Amino acid sequence: EPEVTQTPSHQVTQMGQEVILRCVPISNHLYFYWYRQILGQKVEFLVSFYNNEISEKSEIFDDQFSVERPDGSNFTLKIRSTKLEDSAMYFCASEGLGLPNEQFFGPGTRLTVL
Amino acid sequence: GIQVEQSPPDLILQEGANSTLRCNFSDSVNNLQWFHQNPWGQLINLFYIPSGTKQNGRLSATTVATERYSLLYISSSQTTDSGVYFCAVGSGGYQKVTFGIGTKLQVIP
Repeated sequence: EPEVTQTPSHQVTQMGQEVILRCVPISNHLYFYWYRQILGQKVEFLVSFYNNEISEKSEIFDDQFSVERPDGSNFTLKIRSTKLEDSAMYFCASEGLGLPNEQFFGPGTRLTVL
Repeated sequence: GIQVEQSPPDLILQEGANSTLRCNFSDSVNNLQWFHQNPWGQLINLFYIPSGTKQNGRLSATTVATERYSLLYISSSQTTDSGVYFCAVGSGGYQKVTFGIGTKLQVIP
């Protein structure tokens, strides 16, 4: 069964450093998403991406964040200068064209900013 | 935006017991998914169920879209069922889903 994969599973970084979180969506999917979950809280939407453009972004997704589909398989989230409050679990999701409108989530990357 | 409420927030069960988790939402939806978050933080997809009823082993789910709620049933609970159960809803295709705050389930032997 096809699945969304994410790397790394856990990333530890120093405050102010840049991090890139990687996702490989399901191969024939066209819609991509990033969500995050601060420890003990609910999962929050960050950004959606289609046809090499951001479709929608939340207030959380400020200028420190960017997304890219650098090739035909990867979908990345970059945090330019990490802050302590960026420590969270980051989930990538993808969705195919047509019904059902189901999003498939990756296993997540746990980001720890020290 | 759409509001999602889950109840109860916490639930402790004896192994073997049955439970019902509820998800209420504030608007019509065309996507409703139930997830189990395991101790490692992974979101395990349980059901995609914008309407109707589905069953998968000891788990089943029912969504009554006209009344804006969904129920997740867990029967004969096991300790491995412990974790947080999230409901997530979307009101349009190819759009974000909104998660509820979750129900934290603890199954004790």
